[in-house]
Amino acid sequence: DAKTTQPTSMDCAEGRAANLPCNHSTISGNEYVYWYRQIHSQGPQYIIHGLKNNETNEMASLIITEDRKSSTLILPHATLRDTAVYYCIVRVGSNFGNEKLTFGTGTRLTIIP
Amino acid sequence: GAVVSQHPSWVICKSGTSVKIECRSLDFQATTMFWYRQFPKQSLMLMATSNEGSKATYEQGVEKDKFLINHASLTLSTLTVTSAHPEDSSFYICSARDLAARSGANVLTFGAGSRLTVL
Repeated sequence: DAKTTQPTSMDCAEGRAANLPCNHSTISGNEYVYWYRQIHSQGPQYIIHGLKNNETNEMASLIITEDRKSSTLILPHATLRDTAVYYCIVRVGSNFGNEKLTFGTGTRLTIIP
Repeated sequence: GAVVSQHPSWVICKSGTSVKIECRSLDFQATTMFWYRQFPKQSLMLMATSNEGSKATYEQGVEKDKFLINHASLTLSTLTVTSAHPEDSSFYICSARDLAARSGANVLTFGAGSRLTVL
């Protein structure tokens, strides 16, 4: 699997957009970019994923560069409840459901009141 | 959406006893479930892949006789920590994928986790 590099920690003011970067320069053509987050003492929560195109859902937007070597997760209006560790993971897609996800250290995002 | 339930959410046990943690997919079937372990201030570490109807696949360094995994049905996997010791105290998290959703992508749904404290 392609390795990812994320900043260890970031702060963002409440109500502002939080932009979390992720580098994945060795990503291959069939690998997706997934974002999960883990709020303290809870299980990880899926946020969004993408392959080539930018994606948006009710939680966030995912911007993938044209060369796919990096991406940015955007939380448009951060709230205190968005304080969590955010994980960027690169992995092949599958229709079988037996492909494991490996978590790195992630970015600890703190939303400041 | 897909929901994964874990039970118990927390458990305290004495050293030397065994503890069973259940992981259920509530509204979907999962032929494969994954068990992770997380120590304080660390990331999730994959322990094993649980396969319905067959033996689990353990990651390197994880003792299969210590952490018994049984995937007896398409909606239930159990992790038993045998002869638990204080160093086994950790946050155990399971996950599964709803194969009926998001075809082609590898999106996992995680349980809320089970915190084990061994005295």
